[in-house]
Order: sequence, then C-alpha cells, then structure tokens
Amino acid sequence: DQQVKQNSPSLSVQEGRISILNCDYTNSMFDYFLWYKKYPAEGPTFLISISSIKDKNEDGRFTVFLNKSAKHLSLHIVPSQPGDSAVYFCAALVSRGAQKLVFGQGTRLTINP
Amino acid sequence: DAEITQSPRHKITETGRQVTLACHQTWNHNNMFWYRQDLGHGLRLIHYSYGVQDTNKGEVSDGYSVSRSNTEDLPLTLESAASSQTSVYFCASSDYGGPLHFGNGTRLTVT
Repeated sequence: DQQVKQNSPSLSVQEGRISILNCDYTNSMFDYFLWYKKYPAEGPTFLISISSIKDKNEDGRFTVFLNKSAKHLSLHIVPSQPGDSAVYFCAALVSRGAQKLVFGQGTRLTINP
Repeated sequence: DAEITQSPRHKITETGRQVTLACHQTWNHNNMFWYRQDLGHGLRLIHYSYGVQDTNKGEVSDGYSVSRSNTEDLPLTLESAASSQTSVYFCASSDYGGPLHFGNGTRLTVT
C-alpha cells in the first residue's frame, strides 16, 4: 500500500523552462511534506518542505504547492537548470507521531540544454 | 563539519552469510534511520531509533536487525543474506522535527 505516490517515473524539460513534479498521498494524517533531491552515488538531500497549515512555500527557484483537499502536492522549479537533473523524492510524515518519513517512488528529472 | 558516514560503499556477499553495514553520524542527532532504495519502490524504512537502546521496526524489517549502543552509530545487520536484499541502503539521522540527513549509501549485492 503506497501511501505516497509519484506517478511519473521520469520527466524531461528544456533548460530555462518550468519543471513541475507531482506527488499524491492517501494518508490524511500526514501534515508535513518534504522534497528531497538525489544525485547518482549520493544520498538524498533535503530541498524544501511545507506544513499542512500552508498551501505554498517558496525558496528561490523552488516552490512547493499543497492541495489538501486533493491530497496532492507539487514542486515547481523555475527556471530549470542543468544542475537540477536528478531524482526527486516526495516524502510525508505525521509530525506529532513517530518521526518516520514515508517516501514516494521518485521522479527522474532531466534538464535538456 | 558534521556528517553521516556509511561503510562499506560497496559489498558483495553470498546467500546465507551475515552482513553488517555501518553508519556513523557526528551531528549528535537522537534519531537514526535505515532505508533501502529499490527501483519502483523509492525509499522504504527498515529500522529506526530515537536514542540509545531504542530500536523500532519499519515497514520492511524482516531479515534485518539494528542495535543502538551510543548516539553516533546504528549498524544494520542482515542475519542471513538473501538475494531479495540486494539493494542500495541509506542511513539517515535527524533532530526531532528536523529534516533527515542522509549518508551516501551502501550498494549491497547478494549472490
């Protein structure tokens, strides 16, 4: 039972354009969401997060949007750069419970010059 | 700088052997986690610990064990390695409410 789903295994975007990565979740108890970025042969690194009390959080070129009614979040990268090519994982947790992150399957983003 | 280190980076072992993967963090975090990454599954939680002498099972704990004798280390042991345990293993640590900091992973192949 996949509680966090990233239905697009891969995404290819032109440099300079917007990249939009999507994530859906099924557990309504999740109240904190994170995006991680992973390069080959490295561990995932934290990118951006959002609490369920917000619907948007922005950090430079990265913005995460949360739609609680649809149980959907998305990560926008504008403008996309070649260094953004990586695998992106969406993750969620119940902040007042065990601090266990539940991850999605990941989306491989490729930025083309 | 604080860091989290996993060793070895690569390991090949035979079915039925006991294997231990090391994880050492200098963040002084209480929380430590082991995940495995497999294609199509993302990162799945194996075991986790909230402090010394505390260990808990994650969603894919069968065939794995951990022990926490100090703050810095959480070794992961495969009691009797199976081919289904061929994977990339990531250790992570965090403060309460903080983001996870991951190591660079151990690629384990069970032949």
